[in-house]
Amino acid sequence: DTAVSQTPKYLVTQMGNDKSIKCEQNLGHDTMYWYKQDSKKFLKIMFSYNNKELIINETVPNRFSPKSPDKAHLNLHINSLELGDSAVYFCASSQDEADTQYFGPGTRLTVL
Amino acid sequence: DAKTTQPNSMESNEEEPVHLPCNHSTISGTDYIHWYRQLPSQGPEYVIHGLTSNVNNRMASLAIAEDRKSSTLILHRATLRDAAVYYCILRENPYNAGNNRKLIWGLGTSLAVNP
Repeated sequence: DTAVSQTPKYLVTQMGNDKSIKCEQNLGHDTMYWYKQDSKKFLKIMFSYNNKELIINETVPNRFSPKSPDKAHLNLHINSLELGDSAVYFCASSQDEADTQYFGPGTRLTVL
Repeated sequence: DAKTTQPNSMESNEEEPVHLPCNHSTISGTDYIHWYRQLPSQGPEYVIHGLTSNVNNRMASLAIAEDRKSSTLILHRATLRDAAVYYCILRENPYNAGNNRKLIWGLGTSLAVNP
């Protein structure tokens, strides 16, 4: 029933580890996004994929690598986690780049 | 980077109307005005959007100034569930925008609703 889902909801890990966050949408949308929301509540786009192709890649460290195995999934892999990576990460999707974005519930990542 | 200006916080009483202002003096002719809101511990959700004319939907109304340099989101009867951060965002028409297809989010207005 859930439109955009993310797993896990919470992720606590040590500095230097590698972790992944998964995102799935069942809306049949063509475009998916990853956003990062920091402690000041700024929501900043990281990546956007349209039909499995990368169309937006903001200035994000290359420790972050998105992977889109199909149109319904956009996973985020993070290598060598740092303290500053602690944030809430939101996945979103839209029918195309012009349309309303639907957000997932977020993944709260805490790096110790 | 945010192209919009909103008050940091506002307060309302339950069942009263709420007018949330947004200034966007640098808006261009093809920019759409979008509003999203983020309830506590949830992802943002779409509220409404418009280009020039006022818009109504089941959640809210959007009043756009004639010069388009400002807009107001109107919640007709606030409920406790409307307590959230409300974001006003300009979005270039992606079909004209080339590679600039992103929403640029500001800090929004934190709305408190008193019972």
